Formats: sequence, structure tokens, C-alpha cells
Amino acid sequence: GENVEQHPSTLSVQEGDSAVIKCTYSDSASNYFPWYKQELGKRPQLIIDIRSNVGEKKDQRIAVTLNKTAKHFSLHITETQPEDSAVYFCAASDPGTASKLTFGTGTRLQVTL
Amino acid sequence: EPEVTQTPSHQVTQMGQEVILRCVPISNHLYFYWYRQILGQKVEFLVSFYNNEISEKSEIFDDQFSVERPDGSNFTLKIRSTKLEDSAMYFCASRWGETQYFGPGTRLLVL
Repeated sequence: GENVEQHPSTLSVQEGDSAVIKCTYSDSASNYFPWYKQELGKRPQLIIDIRSNVGEKKDQRIAVTLNKTAKHFSLHITETQPEDSAVYFCAASDPGTASKLTFGTGTRLQVTL
Repeated sequence: EPEVTQTPSHQVTQMGQEVILRCVPISNHLYFYWYRQILGQKVEFLVSFYNNEISEKSEIFDDQFSVERPDGSNFTLKIRSTKLEDSAMYFCASRWGETQYFGPGTRLLVL
């Protein structure tokens, strides 16, 4: 089955700096890659996603890149703000009917003032 | 904006007891999921449900687990005889297109 690796496990940046989180996946058939933000005790919230026919997608300060050949995708957050502090999970979805999500291990991002 | 809802938010139970976790998916969504997250760990897939039947389940989803859609709105996860290691946050999700929307979770503590 699919296996998703995520790095780093923790990331501390100063406000205004950029943050990059990287994930790799194992199943070349996976075709949908969402990123979720989870604040303490809250539900995972989708922040951006990318499909395998697209190499890059941007939404304001957040961007995601996908390299299908290397089977890795990354989340880029620019001009970080304290409210960006949370745990971020990458995930990969199989192309079958179930389309279950396989999550990475999470990155705890802390944005310091 | 419609959201997935879950009840209860917290559940404490004794080992060996049955628990039922309830979810109301977003109306018009057709695919439903249960995931769990042990404290401090990643979210893990348990089961997917479509057209009133299980479409896929993980190794975690053994005979102690079952899911049901008893009416047009609720989607339930039952754990027949809880174990200590079942303590986790359980998230329900429903899907539209490729996007899965998560509920707020039920924190289950088995003593």
C-alpha cells in the first residue's frame, strides 16, 4: 500500500520567513495530494491540494509543488504569521473508488515573533 | 458553509464496553470515512463507505469494528469491545469530488 514520508517533524521559523515542508510517496498510482492544517484539538482543515496532472499550485501565501517522477511534493508558506503555527499533514490519495487518504507523520510548525 | 458534525465530542468508557460514535456527513456527499489519530501521531485510515457498504477497510478495522448508515443522515462507528489501545481521536469525513472534509472528532478514552 501507499506510504507517505514527511519532513521535518518540527520546524521553527521567524515571522515573515518562509517555511517548506516536504513529503514523498511510494505508490506511483496516487493522483491527488492534499495538505491539511491541524490546530491543537481541532479537526484537520484542507488548506491546499494538487492533482497529478499539475506541477504547481498557489493560493495567496501557500503553494504546493509536485514532482511525479521523483514522487515528492512540497508545501511552501511565505511571509509566515503566528497564526500559521499548527501541525501540517500531507496526504496521498489512491485512485480507486475508496480514495482513502494516507497521511504523513506531520510537521509541527512554530512561527515565532 | 456546511460541515461534518460528530457526537459525542468526548467519550470515556471501560475496557470491554461497546461504544458508538456518531457522524452526520455533509448533505449530498456520497463517500464517508472513519479515521483515527492516536495522541501525537498521524491520522490513520480505518474504513470507507459508499452506497451502503464498506468499500475499503484497513488492518486496524478488525471484527471489533463496524459501520452503519442507519438513516439518511447518520453514519456510525461501533466498537464492540473496547481495548485500551482504542483510545484515540476518531474523525469522520465525507467526500465531494476528491476533497475530504473532516468532522471535529470524538476523543475516546478507554480505561
